[in-house]
Amino acid sequence: QQPVQSPQAVILREGEDAVINCSSSKALYSVHWYRQKHGEAPVFLMILLKGGEQKGHEKISASFNEKKQQSSLYLTASQLSYSGTYFCGTEAPLSNDYKLSFGAGTTVTVRA
Amino acid sequence: EAGVAQSPRYKIIEKRQSVAFWCNPISGHATLYWYQQILGQGPKLLIQFQNNGVVDDSQLPKDRFSAERLKGVDSTLKIQPAKLEDSAVYLCASSLGVTSVGETQYFGPGTRLLVL
Repeated sequence: QQPVQSPQAVILREGEDAVINCSSSKALYSVHWYRQKHGEAPVFLMILLKGGEQKGHEKISASFNEKKQQSSLYLTASQLSYSGTYFCGTEAPLSNDYKLSFGAGTTVTVRA
Repeated sequence: EAGVAQSPRYKIIEKRQSVAFWCNPISGHATLYWYQQILGQGPKLLIQFQNNGVVDDSQLPKDRFSAERLKGVDSTLKIQPAKLEDSAVYLCASSLGVTSVGETQYFGPGTRLLVL
């Protein structure tokens, strides 16, 4: 069952901040974040394992709330290069069957 | 380090025709994945290989889709016969470990398929 991402789309001006949420109905082992630009492959940003850790990639950071089964991606002081569609992928172990399920994506547009 | 390679990048076929896609994973990566990404959606796993064995093909439409991974390296995905709803981007990804748990997956550029 795929995770639910919100919002579906967001428009920012350079320098503004945004938060993208990823929620699952299942207990999660890990959350993976990717960014995909139009016509290109998804590019790995970061992975968060259960334990409530927080990670960062440039001015993009993420948190993982294991109890709430959700993760948030924080875009800080956004740059034009941050434009793209952000996907979260979740691993929810069930009978040792680990599979990465992706959300529908959040399209981020950063304008000058 | 070279990334995941895929070919062709684009393919246009008519319904009921067959088509094949090729993927070369990152050298040394044990696990290989094929995903289908329909426009406006996230990637959906079709099949997962560990070395040359199938780990998960539960979402592969086996009446028309087939895949193999020769000698645990390159892989091909075939559709025969194609339907209109198969129009999508087919992404190949690979990860280093022999189990996929918590492993980073690296994606190739994808093959964009249009079925007319």
